This record gives sequence, structure tokens and C-alpha cells, in this order.
Amino acid sequence: AQTVTQSQPEMSVQEAETVTLSCTYDTSESNYYLFWYKQPPSRQMILVIRQEAYKQQNATENRFSVNFQKAAKSFSLKISDSQLGDTAMYFCAFSRGSGGSNYKLTFGKGTLLTVNP
Amino acid sequence: ETGVTQSPTHLIKTRGQQVTLRCSSQSGHNTVSWYQQALGQGPQFIFQYYREEENGRGNFPPRFSGLQFPNYSSELNVNALELDDSALYLCASLDRGRTGELFFGEGSRLTVL
Repeated sequence: AQTVTQSQPEMSVQEAETVTLSCTYDTSESNYYLFWYKQPPSRQMILVIRQEAYKQQNATENRFSVNFQKAAKSFSLKISDSQLGDTAMYFCAFSRGSGGSNYKLTFGKGTLLTVNP
Repeated sequence: ETGVTQSPTHLIKTRGQQVTLRCSSQSGHNTVSWYQQALGQGPQFIFQYYREEENGRGNFPPRFSGLQFPNYSSELNVNALELDDSALYLCASLDRGRTGELFFGEGSRLTVL
């Protein structure tokens, strides 16, 4: 079974600064996907960024980037130039990949990020 | 293109009752999954439906059941409600073809008294 661990229940950052959220996972699979989702108070989960395990290059999406360390099973999210709208719960998630029920996501417990003005 | 919509947004039930939650998937998405998110926790996978058949199930008892209809909309049914069933129930539809990305609705908040 896969597990996802987020060791930081809460974090805060000043507007315009950079913050890194941590995530570790455990799996015996060789092909898998990792995700960071954002859940604002509106409750809707929004995909922030995804990483395919077979890609060595770290994914980036505008101000969001990841540090994927496959051997260490670590997948951290870096948010640059933090904005007030980034305030939300952030979840790290794992899926085994495409096909059948492999789309099932296993989530961590989340990190509540607060961006202060 | 319309997103994933869920109804109702909030509801209150008493222990022992039954509840049905509904989900309309994003246009063109033929796979729907349901997640339970207890307060302060990450979502937990309940089950997934593909072409009207259950296609994967998490560690939930049989009193959690579902349906998917020909238009790919879906229902989650929970019988014999327990206090611990109080949670946010999230529906997600899958873009199986292009990116494998899940698109989530805003959820149904169930309170069991």
C-alpha cells in the first residue's frame, strides 16, 4: 500500500516571499505520478502541479515548482513570490498511473499555508 | 465546458438514516470517483466508476454504494449512517484520455447527528 506523509500541519509566509512544503511517500511501484493539490476555503480541490516518476526533470508551473527526489521518495513544493490568494490547504497526492483503478489518489493529511500581508 | 457539480452542498441527517449524494461529471469524462474527507484530514478514496461499473474500491464498508448513469453522472449512497460518516464528500471526474487529471467538485458536506 502507498502512504503519503506531510510533516508540516501549518506554515506561514510573508507576501512575496518563498515557501517550501514538504512531502514524502512510500511505494514499491516503479511507475507512478505525484501531485500537489490546493484546497481553498471554497473546498474545491485544484491541481497545482504534477510530476511523472519516470521524468527526471522537476515540474514547474509559473510560480510553483517541485523538487522531486525519487531515491529519497521526497516531493516538495516551492511557491515563489507568494500571494494572498495562495492561502489554502495543500495536499500532496500519489497515484499508480494510468489504467483501471490506478487513477486512485492517495492523499497526505495536508499543510495549511497562510500568506500574510 | 462545465465543471464537476455536486448536490446538495450541505445536508444534515440522523444516525441510521440513508443519504444519496449526486455528481455531474465534467463534459466528456467517463470516469467518476468519490472521496470522503473528514475534518482536518486528506481525502480518502471510496470508489471509482467507469462506464457504469465499479472499477476500484477503497477500504469502505458495503453500506457505501454507488451508481453511474449513461450520461456519466453518478450517485453515492450511504445506508445506516453513523456519526463518523460526517465529512465532506468529493466527486471527481477523470480526463482519462488527455492528461489523467482529476477534476473535483466543491463537495457535499454531510453532518450526521
